[in-house]
Amino acid sequence: IVLTQSPATLSLSPGERATLSCRASQTISSNYLAWYQQKPGQAPSLLIHGASTRATGIPDRFSGSGSGTDFTLTITRLEPEDFAVYFCQQYDSPITFGQGTRLEIK
Amino acid sequence: EVQLVQSGAEVKKPGDSLKISCQGSGYSFADFYIGWVRHVPGQGLEWMGIFYPDDSRNRYNPSFQGQVTMSADKSTNTAYLQWSSLKASDTAIYYCGRCIFIYHNGVWSNHWYFDVWGRGTLVTVSS
Repeated sequence: IVLTQSPATLSLSPGERATLSCRASQTISSNYLAWYQQKPGQAPSLLIHGASTRATGIPDRFSGSGSGTDFTLTITRLEPEDFAVYFCQQYDSPITFGQGTRLEIK
Repeated sequence: EVQLVQSGAEVKKPGDSLKISCQGSGYSFADFYIGWVRHVPGQGLEWMGIFYPDDSRNRYNPSFQGQVTMSADKSTNTAYLQWSSLKASDTAIYYCGRCIFIYHNGVWSNHWYFDVWGRGTLVTVSS
């Protein structure tokens, strides 16, 4: 399953809303999709699994939605620490990753 | 706190051997699969394989089968990824991650995601 993330780069200001897309080349069963955040020099961190379940400790400004082939990560009210790279991963079979979206400060 | 600490950057020549490590802490290391992921700069992430420290069960991505070897030492809570003969195309960042499998209808499924990752080990292979 090929995952295509868009846009490649998203330029927004703190306080704005970010909408990141992850589109699959075929249906992902049981919403087996995760989202991760990665900051430079740091380990990736899990944000969302099961397409919409926030991982432990993740603020509620992060939300995941979608099913089938189209999934979205939404970040409401961007905080300075949210500017990072975000990538999706499907774990239907076998696991694959999207190319990532760089969220940068406008 | 669950953590995975990876070994430092390596610079090697083609044909060299290499073993990188991933040490877990804050959880029962032997009870969770560890997965390895390759990230070639400018390209996407690729899953390489997963390894179960408790009994050495493993599964390799066919693209990496025979190219690398996964192992683990339960006594030191450390997982390893090794190459016997590096190639320039092995230049990449290698991440380890703790795998969370989905339990569905009373059975452990074949589906997993990573809930904790290491910071990555940069491997550079150049003559």
